Amino acid sequence: AQTVTQSQPEMSVQEAETVTLSCTYDTSESDYYLFWYKQPPSRQMILVIRQEAYKQQNATENRFSVNFQKAAKSFSLKISDSQLGDAAMYFCACPTSGTYKYIFGTGTRLKVLA
Amino acid sequence: DVKVTQSSRYLVKRTGEKVFLECVQDMDHENMFWYRQDPGLGLRLIYFSYDVKMKEKGDIPEGYSVSREKKERFSLILESASTNQTSMYLCASSPPQGSGTPLHFGNGTRLTVT
Repeated sequence: AQTVTQSQPEMSVQEAETVTLSCTYDTSESDYYLFWYKQPPSRQMILVIRQEAYKQQNATENRFSVNFQKAAKSFSLKISDSQLGDAAMYFCACPTSGTYKYIFGTGTRLKVLA
Repeated sequence: DVKVTQSSRYLVKRTGEKVFLECVQDMDHENMFWYRQDPGLGLRLIYFSYDVKMKEKGDIPEGYSVSREKKERFSLILESASTNQTSMYLCASSPPQGSGTPLHFGNGTRLTVT
């Protein structure tokens, strides 16, 4: 069965510093996508970044980047120059190929300290 | 921008009541989903629908049913609410998965069953 694991229930980072959130997954597919979502206190889930598994290059969106290690099935999110508005729950997700199901990790709560 | 609207932000119901959670999307998406979010468990899929009148069970369908009579609307029904269904419910939509397009979420409904 496909699984997504986030081993850090909570992380803290000082404002302006860099933090990395971990995610590992298990899939038998060779071509797939991986996503990081952010859920702030407003509860609106927002897409942060997406990685296509067949692409070697790590995805980047402004201060957000991923470290994608396909062989290790690892998909970590790096947030640079952390801001107070980055405080949220972060979820890693992997769609299940051949179905419409998305598997989510259990989430990491990120606190940003002023 | 895609808009997914959940009819209630907070809902309080009594044990045994029949509960309807409504979700409407405005982007003509084929796929719609209902997730349940609990602390430490992440998001778990209850039901999803890939077309009008079509539905498939997710990972935790027991105690729930769904209805999709129109493409834009997907309803989650708790046939006889129980206290263990107290949770945050998230609706999402997406185009067909082949494009790797991410999910678009509503703001969530926090349901309390007393």
